[in-house]
Amino acid sequence: AQSVTQLDSHVSVSEGTPVLLRCNYSSSYSPSLFWYVQHPNKGLQLLLKYTSAATLVKGINGFEAEFKKSETSFHLTKPSAHMSDAAEYFCVVSGGGYQKVTFGTGTKLQVIP
Amino acid sequence: GAVVSQHPSWVICKSGTSVKIECRSLDFQATTMFWYRQFPKQSLMLMATSNEGSKATYEQGVEKDKFLINHASLTLSTLTVTSAHPEDSSFYICSASPTSGGNYGYTFGSGTRLTVV
Repeated sequence: AQSVTQLDSHVSVSEGTPVLLRCNYSSSYSPSLFWYVQHPNKGLQLLLKYTSAATLVKGINGFEAEFKKSETSFHLTKPSAHMSDAAEYFCVVSGGGYQKVTFGTGTKLQVIP
Repeated sequence: GAVVSQHPSWVICKSGTSVKIECRSLDFQATTMFWYRQFPKQSLMLMATSNEGSKATYEQGVEKDKFLINHASLTLSTLTVTSAHPEDSSFYICSASPTSGGNYGYTFGSGTRLTVV
């Protein structure tokens, strides 16, 4: 069994300030973890993924996430928010292979100019 | 690489008619594709797993006769919403992976906005 919890449904930051989107997971397997971004009425774009290699994962657009097994967390960060970062972000856990992926409920990021 | 094309991007249909949505993997073969439904301001819910050459596996609560899935080739899966009703209006997204998926990550289509009037 697996689950993922995104701790904040909405996050609001000022442009140029750091972004932190929180994600906790549980999994019976060694998990693979992903962050996806969705802009309004668009599909999902993969930001980054953790697959049991380096615990600090760098993704596109300046985002990165750190896998912390002891805390069962995979928080997404970015040093400086840009207006174009405003979107919905989904944390996803997979048990590997063709097992089902489980989506978090999403975090809507608002960037204030 | 790993591009998934979904068509149409939006469709409006009359109540009682059927609508077909296509999901194609453009530069890889996908023995398995997934169909999701997303309600406004909610997360994605897996509807079914589409398996090439065999029957789809539906999640609990998803009507098999309402949402027909066909995966006739390694690059194409279709979702047909039969006898559509306004409550079927939603955002439908497909995904696929060129490998086992769990380690690679899934590539998503751009989604289809279905409105039933």
